[in-house]
Amino acid sequence: GAVVSQHPSWVICKSGTSVKIECRSLDFQATTMFWYRQFPKQSLMLMATSNEGSKATYEQGVEKDKFLINHASLTLSTLTVTSAHPEDSSFYICSARGTGGGEDTQYFGPGTRLTVL
Amino acid sequence: DAKTTQPPSMDCAEGRAANLPCNHSTISGNEYVYWYRQIHSQGPQYIIHGLKNNETNEMASLIITEDRKSSTLILPHATLRDTAVYYCIVRPSGYSTLTFGKGTMLLVSP
Repeated sequence: GAVVSQHPSWVICKSGTSVKIECRSLDFQATTMFWYRQFPKQSLMLMATSNEGSKATYEQGVEKDKFLINHASLTLSTLTVTSAHPEDSSFYICSARGTGGGEDTQYFGPGTRLTVL
Repeated sequence: DAKTTQPPSMDCAEGRAANLPCNHSTISGNEYVYWYRQIHSQGPQYIIHGLKNNETNEMASLIITEDRKSSTLILPHATLRDTAVYYCIVRPSGYSTLTFGKGTMLLVSP
């Protein structure tokens, strides 16, 4: 299957700082990328959907000014958690879907564990 | 999107076949059935998907009933590394995203 990478795999930061997470599709072009969040013992929750070159679409309840998403190219999307607080500590997972018509499978990155102190 | 119902947990002995059921009785004609799994502290891994025909790949087989209201994911020879949460998701064709439910926690034991 296609490969999606994330960097960093884990990060610890102080409250009030910003953290950037990168998501790359390594062997395919991703017209659409998705960002999910997963709290302990819960399922994945979609945060936002982004299309290359367009503004991201955020799910209800997700603050767009706090979670900045940039999808500047067909292989890279970034999520910046601004002014992070302890309640933002979570497992952030990106996903990418390829170009082309028909049924395109969505592939997931390995996730980034964010801990805010 | 059609909703799915899966048992919260299942056990399987190593080397035996693991049959994971999924009910999607409200599925519509243009919705695919997708299976993913998530091993602890990792991102979800794509397993297989299908529309109405049975599908098989190197990881698993997907059996979809003729009325499409349910499906079964089969891992033919489960190993300890198959211990994970398995998600059954239905998604319309086109460009909508995947919505995750609670899935089935499969525990493979020696």
